[in-house]
Amino acid sequence: GAVVSQHPSWVICKSGTSVKIECRSLDFQATTMFWYRQFPKQSLMLMATSNEGSKATYEQGVEKDKFLINHASLTLSTLTVTSAHPEDSSFYICSAGAEINNEQFFGPGTRLTVL
Amino acid sequence: DAKTTQPPSMDCAEGRAANLPCNHSTISGNEYVYWYRQIHSQGPQYIIHGLKNNETNEMASLIITEDRKSSTLILPHATLRDTAVYYCIANNAGNMLTFGGGTRLMVKP
Repeated sequence: GAVVSQHPSWVICKSGTSVKIECRSLDFQATTMFWYRQFPKQSLMLMATSNEGSKATYEQGVEKDKFLINHASLTLSTLTVTSAHPEDSSFYICSAGAEINNEQFFGPGTRLTVL
Repeated sequence: DAKTTQPPSMDCAEGRAANLPCNHSTISGNEYVYWYRQIHSQGPQYIIHGLKNNETNEMASLIITEDRKSSTLILPHATLRDTAVYYCIANNAGNMLTFGGGTRLMVKP
């Protein structure tokens, strides 16, 4: 299947730091990518839909000024957690759709720990 | 997306078939049934999807009832590495996926 990568895999930062997470589709182009967040022992929650060349669409309750999304190319979307606080500590996962076969492929996730 | 209902947990003996049920009684005609699984601290892994017909691939089989109101994911010979949370999702192709609680499958030796 298609491969989606995320970088970094794990980041620990101080409160107030901004953290950028990259999501790349390695062997296919993705017009749309999705960003999810998962707290311990909970299911994935969609944060936003990232569209190449246009503004992201955020789910209700997700602050767009705090979680900046940029989808600069068909293979790269970035999520920047601005001024991170301990409550932002979570597992952030991206996904990209392979339109040919209607499958959606997930990245391995990025674990963010804010001290 | 149509709401799906899955049992919160299931056990299965290693080497036996694991049959994971999912109810999606409000599924619409153009929504697919997708199955993903998530092993601890990893991103979800695609397993299989289908619209009306039963599907089979190298990982699993998907049985969809004729009225499409429920489906069953079958892992024919479960191994310890199949221990994971399995998510059933009814979704229009290409749209965002909405995850429910899933079924925590524990494969035991």
